[in-house]
Amino acid sequence: DGGITQSPKYLFRKEGQNVTLSCEQNLNHDAMYWYRQDPGQGLRLIYYSQIVNDFQKGDIAEGYSVSREKKESFPLTVTSAQKNPTAFYLCASSTRQGLTDTQYFGPGTRLTVL
Amino acid sequence: AQSVTQLGSHVSVSEGALVLLRCNYSSSVPPYLFWYVQYPNQGLQLLLKYTTGATLVKGINGFEAEFKKSETSFHLTKPSAHMSDAAEYFCAVRILSGAGSYQLTFGKGTKLSVIP
Repeated sequence: DGGITQSPKYLFRKEGQNVTLSCEQNLNHDAMYWYRQDPGQGLRLIYYSQIVNDFQKGDIAEGYSVSREKKESFPLTVTSAQKNPTAFYLCASSTRQGLTDTQYFGPGTRLTVL
Repeated sequence: AQSVTQLGSHVSVSEGALVLLRCNYSSSVPPYLFWYVQYPNQGLQLLLKYTTGATLVKGINGFEAEFKKSETSFHLTKPSAHMSDAAEYFCAVRILSGAGSYQLTFGKGTKLSVIP
């Protein structure tokens, strides 16, 4: 089955540590996205990538980094510079064909800083 | 700037009653609009979308939404609520980013409770 996988589902981190969240898709989508979700705040865009080896900052990129070395993969690193990293992180992908740009989401990773 | 406002962070309805979740948008260009649903600790699932054409859009699970340009609204409705509809619902509008690509901007969400 085609889809988007995120791992791990739950992640615990000590303050001062970097941590990397995995996102893989087998939908053959060109574009991939990372969002952060906090209660009552909706989804906020962290980074997005339209093609391999290229990515752009979203609205809240500070304290995060990404890479896009393969079409299928778009890992997100939460660095120690992120002041409040505890949140639910969602990865999404979309095709660039056509104009609808419908985004499809993975199941999410819940990060908790201890 | 394009944005989305969802009126009501929490909505409660009785089982079998009409579901109405409100979404208003702001856009300087013809909008593409989306409704997503999120069950606890899961990702978002697309319910329906409006791009062009027919203003009444039917989605999954019996939901539909009507695009009203004059009211800048895209409210989500379902004639009869089911217990399984309890979830959080997000309205989104497609925007053109500074890098020349399209993104989605989301409302803050409406949590729907269904009372038996």
